[in-house]
Amino acid sequence: IAGITQAPTSQILAAGRRMTLRCTQDMRHNAMYWYRQDLGLGLRLIHYSNTAGTTGKGEVPDGYSVSRANTDDFPLTLASAVPSQTSVYFCASSQSGGGPDTQYFGPGTRLTVL
Amino acid sequence: GQNIDQPTEMTATEGAIVQINCTYQTSGFNGLFWYQQHAGEAPTFLSYNVLDGLEEKGRFSSFLSRSKGYSYLLLKELQMKDSASYLCAVSDSGYALNFGKGTSLLVTP
Repeated sequence: IAGITQAPTSQILAAGRRMTLRCTQDMRHNAMYWYRQDLGLGLRLIHYSNTAGTTGKGEVPDGYSVSRANTDDFPLTLASAVPSQTSVYFCASSQSGGGPDTQYFGPGTRLTVL
Repeated sequence: GQNIDQPTEMTATEGAIVQINCTYQTSGFNGLFWYQQHAGEAPTFLSYNVLDGLEEKGRFSSFLSRSKGYSYLLLKELQMKDSASYLCAVSDSGYALNFGKGTSLLVTP
């Protein structure tokens, strides 16, 4: 089934722990994105990648890192989680970056940091 | 910077028509998107406007006025399943979409 998958679906994490959220797409899209969604704040871009091997910072990148070793995978890592990183995280992809392409979203990961 | 405004909440009756407005001020403009998001689910694409005017797609239509920095999403013949959040997003000259905070629509019987 074509689309975007994210793992885990949900996670409860102790503050200070390291965590990697996984994202995989099989649509051969060039661009991928990570957003967080918080009540009252909407979707905010954390990091993006326009093509394999390149990444960039979004609106709220602090405390997060990403890598894009290949076209399909775009993991998001929290090096040392803090309670303010409690959120719902959405991965998205689009055919190309830097243009008005439709973005397709994964099902999300609900992360709670205690 | 980016500034995208839409109402926080709206309520409408099943079978009616509702218009959700979005105003934006962005440094560049490559198009405007509307997404639908049901509670606990991912946003899904509804419409895209890059030129002024109305785009119709079944019960949903979206309008754009670039000179006014204004768009609306029109939902006709409302159904209970249309209860969801509706997200306005603008593509500027950069790399990603800038989202508004979303409008939560409640459809009542």
